[in-house]
Amino acid sequence: QSALTQPASVSGSPGQSITISCTGTSSDVGAYNYVSWYQQHPGKAPKLMIYNVNNWPSGVSNRFSGSKSGNTASLTISGLQAEDEADYYCSSFARSNTLYVFGTGTEVTVL
Amino acid sequence: QVQLQESGPGQVKPSATLSLTCAVSGASISSSDWYTWVRQPPGKGLEWIGEIYLGGTTNYNSSLKSRVTISVDKSKNELSLKLTSVTAADTAVYYCGRNGDHTIDYWGQGTLVTVSS
Repeated sequence: QSALTQPASVSGSPGQSITISCTGTSSDVGAYNYVSWYQQHPGKAPKLMIYNVNNWPSGVSNRFSGSKSGNTASLTISGLQAEDEADYYCSSFARSNTLYVFGTGTEVTVL
Repeated sequence: QVQLQESGPGQVKPSATLSLTCAVSGASISSSDWYTWVRQPPGKGLEWIGEIYLGGTTNYNSSLKSRVTISVDKSKNELSLKLTSVTAADTAVYYCGRNGDHTIDYWGQGTLVTVSS
């Protein structure tokens, strides 16, 4: 089971919106609405930001939103803030012997 | 608020067995819970290792399946991870997490394990 494909880096200025893509296959992203997004600051554990494509865990800002079309999921961060600078990983449930697959990760830089 | 804390030796010799525990606090481990182990090599991405359903089912990453065992001690509110025949490629930060709805909603802080002689 290969990792989901994300852009290595995305950047934006404060207040702008950015979108991170997560491309999989018809056996993972395309097969289920079980895509999650995690934020990871350096040296810290990942933090759940979005689950089941477009659901917010308690306490997560609605500046973060998720969507999916076909085999590609997306995370949009609106009103970009300095604290949003981190690595972001998508993950998906997969129809394979390895039940969950993560994305390659995207470094978000706030200019 | 569920809290998870990984612990174990920070260094393991090549070909030895890596053993980690994950203490769960803030909630009693329930038979309806699923828990997951994930690892992250230094400077690299996340890799799903496997999960355990406390009712008795385990699922493993197919690439690690022959070497990994995840178990639980409900009396201690602890999970454990064992990985046999380790090599330098197993050097990573190891995280335990509690599963939510097809996601990992609570994560431990992680523990770095270095495979080196």
